Amino acid sequence: DAGVTQSPTHLIKTRGQQVTLRCSPKSGHDTVSWYQQALGQGPQFIFQYYEEEERQRGNFPDRFSARQFPNYSSELNVNALLLGDSALYLCASSPARYGEQYFGPGTRLTVT
Amino acid sequence: KQEVTQIPAALSVPEGENLVLNCSFTDSAIYNLQWFRQDPGKGLTSLLLIQSSQREQTSGRLNASLDKSSGRSTLYIAASQPGDSATYLCAVDPSGNDYKLSFGAGTTVTVRA
Repeated sequence: DAGVTQSPTHLIKTRGQQVTLRCSPKSGHDTVSWYQQALGQGPQFIFQYYEEEERQRGNFPDRFSARQFPNYSSELNVNALLLGDSALYLCASSPARYGEQYFGPGTRLTVT
Repeated sequence: KQEVTQIPAALSVPEGENLVLNCSFTDSAIYNLQWFRQDPGKGLTSLLLIQSSQREQTSGRLNASLDKSSGRSTLYIAASQPGDSATYLCAVDPSGNDYKLSFGAGTTVTVRA
């Protein structure tokens, strides 16, 4: 079992650009969540998707969007990047609404 | 709004000493609480999950307790080793139609050889 996988591992972008991050959930999991973790802080919730529908959105601007595909994988898109978007982006999957959440290794995004 | 606090922010102990990490939360309407380990620049590794109906959960040298009414959880790590050096985060999974985990900022542990 490969667990939760994320790509790319690292990414460097300049202000104003757009970025797409990808996540494949753990086998058998149908729910995917995205979190942003700034240095020295706990992760902050961005989105949760279930059966290709957005189930909940955190307190992030509309520049952040996501989608889930029929195979349960997911993409997170961030438009018009700001320096403050630099962070570790984590994807988590779970088998059900109240299942244990498993996290991927994260994508480190640096905006210059 | 759920607020999760972890004290202390950092801890340094000699090898072999037992570790006690604290997590407090403001809203007792939770479904479960999860403890994670994070190595520098890496993702989160799930250590223990405690359902709201449970008082404690154990895995090897790790034991986590939960007192939902007082809004507290404690993670005990017995006989610490240098390999236990990491940041430990607790996260609360709320009940109802709120699906997001609320995290504390973590406790960074250093175990000195």
